[in-house]
Amino acid sequence: EPEVTQTPSHQVTQMGQEVILRCVPISNHLYFYWYRQILGQKVEFLVSFYNNEISEKSEIFDDQFSVERPDGSNFTLKIRSTKLEDSAMYFCARGGRSYEQYFGPGTRLTVT
Amino acid sequence: ELKVEQNPLFLSMQEGKNYTIYCNYSTTSDRLYWYRQDPGKSLESLFVLLSNGAVKQEGRLMASLDTKARLSTLHITAAVHDLSATYFCAVDKQAGTALIFGKGTTLSVSS
Repeated sequence: EPEVTQTPSHQVTQMGQEVILRCVPISNHLYFYWYRQILGQKVEFLVSFYNNEISEKSEIFDDQFSVERPDGSNFTLKIRSTKLEDSAMYFCARGGRSYEQYFGPGTRLTVT
Repeated sequence: ELKVEQNPLFLSMQEGKNYTIYCNYSTTSDRLYWYRQDPGKSLESLFVLLSNGAVKQEGRLMASLDTKARLSTLHITAAVHDLSATYFCAVDKQAGTALIFGKGTTLSVSS
């Protein structure tokens, strides 16, 4: 059973369009993370969320990205104006007791 | 900048033989994580190593951590086809912060 669920599983969008990716925690946790993985490459950290605030972000997480917890439960990752190079798998993860991170099933984003 | 290097990046294994993959990292950390990823799937947590000398075993996989050498190893005993996947190691600078991943080691087991 996934620790978090993500929707949609696959999103196709045109370059320049805005996309919103969603992460739904199964249970109440404080630490959440977004990562991306370009096909065949390593997993890259984007941003972390602790107690409803951004706690850390990477150089990749520039002004075109934003994260929110609009309803106190779901997390969203918004990409304002997608580029071809944003095509990747986007994973949401939640923190565990030993600081390991449990990853959701991912959203495959394809930008055409 | 924290860097994590894995080697080899690809490993073709024969069933029944033993292999080791290595994970080096560039800064002090007492925590190291191993994940498995099957093609097109998410990352599955395999091991959490939380101190120098930590050793964890699950089935044919055994992971160890040497924080002084900044090295973790993942040892595979008597490889079987089910172990074919990509294995990632990851390190965080501080507990609860971003995981920095290696490039992954893709294992392929053949009979």
